[in-house]
Parts: sequence; C-alpha cells; structure tokens
Amino acid sequence: KQEVTQIPAALSVPEGENLVLNCSFTDSAIYNLQWFRQDPGKGLTSLLLIQSSQREQTSGRLNASLDKSSGRSTLYIAASQPGDSATYLCAVRRRAGGTSYGKLTFGQGTILTVHP
Amino acid sequence: GAGVSQSPSNKVTEKGKDVELRCDPISGHTALYWYRQSLGQGLEFLIYFQGNSAPDKSGLPSDRFSAERTGGSVSTLTIQRTQQEDSAVYLCASSLMIYQPQHFGDGTRLSIL
Repeated sequence: KQEVTQIPAALSVPEGENLVLNCSFTDSAIYNLQWFRQDPGKGLTSLLLIQSSQREQTSGRLNASLDKSSGRSTLYIAASQPGDSATYLCAVRRRAGGTSYGKLTFGQGTILTVHP
Repeated sequence: GAGVSQSPSNKVTEKGKDVELRCDPISGHTALYWYRQSLGQGLEFLIYFQGNSAPDKSGLPSDRFSAERTGGSVSTLTIQRTQQEDSAVYLCASSLMIYQPQHFGDGTRLSIL
C-alpha cells in the first residue's frame, strides 16, 4: 500500500527566504507526482506535475524535483512571499496495470506561513 | 471557462439522515473523482469514474456510501444513514483523461449533528 509522507508538517519563514518542502513515498511504481496548493476553505490548485520519467518541473518561482528510485520529491519555492502562505500537498498516482491506478494518494501536507 | 462546481458548499444534517452531494465537472472531462478530507485522515480517495467503464469504488468506506455519474457528466455522491464520523469536506475533481492533471472543486463541507 502506497504511503506518502510530507516533512515538515508546518513551516514559518520571513518573506524573501528560499525554502524546500519534502515529500516521500514508499512504492516507487508511480506514474506521476503532483504538487498542490490549498488555501483555507478552498479546493486544491495544481502547481506542478512531474511524470515518472522526468527529474524536475519548473513554474515561475517553483521548482519540483523527483527521484523515483529513492521515493522522494522536493518542492523549492524561491523568494517566498506572504501570498505563498497555504497548505502544500503532494500526491502520487500509481503506474498503470494495477488496480485503482486513477486515484491519487496524498500526503498530510505542509502548512506554510510566510510573514512580512 | 468554468471549473469544477460542487453543491451545496455547506451541508448540516442530523445523524441518520441521507445526504446527496453534487459535482459538475469541467466540460469535456472524461474522468471524475471523489475524495474526502478530514482532520484525522487527511485526503482520502473514495471513487472514480472513467468514461463508460465501471467505476473504481475501492475507496468507499462502507456500503452507506454510493455514487453515480449520469450521462458522463454530473455526479452525485450519496451517504445514507449519516454518522458523525462522516463529517468532512468532500472534494470532487475531474480530468480530461485518466492520467491528466486533476482539477478540484471547492468542496462540500458536511457536518453531522
């Protein structure tokens, strides 16, 4: 059974800092990994999706890396801003050929607070 | 274009009542997913629909939970004889195809008194 763990559970940083959020998963037979952002009372907004054959994806100040063999992904946020404050979730989708390959398995999330 | 729409946004009901939650996916999306988000359990998969294939119900916690998707579009999640542990935010997502990125609605916050 796939298990996804995110560290740290919470992070508070001053504006302008670069920061790294970590995600690890137990089963490396994944199809892709997705990072999401969730604001209070809202749904999830997709930030980056990395296919299993890729090493990293970038979007603006965000960079996500994937090391499938070691079961790890990191989300790097450059020059953090108060508007980045939210919960960040990573989720993995298993490889085709098994059951329930459509579902995402989520970590518990990292609550990020960026203060001015 | 419109995103995934869920209704109602909030639902309060008494223990033992049945509830129906609705999801309108993004037009043209063939895959639709239901998840549940609660404080103790995080985000859990419930069920997904892909085109005309039989739905994957492997995440439904009990036979009190059921879902249907009519005409390949709108989906309804039904919880019968609600219990207090059913209190959670129920999130719906859709994707163009099964392996494409999932787009989420804002959820229905369900409170069982």
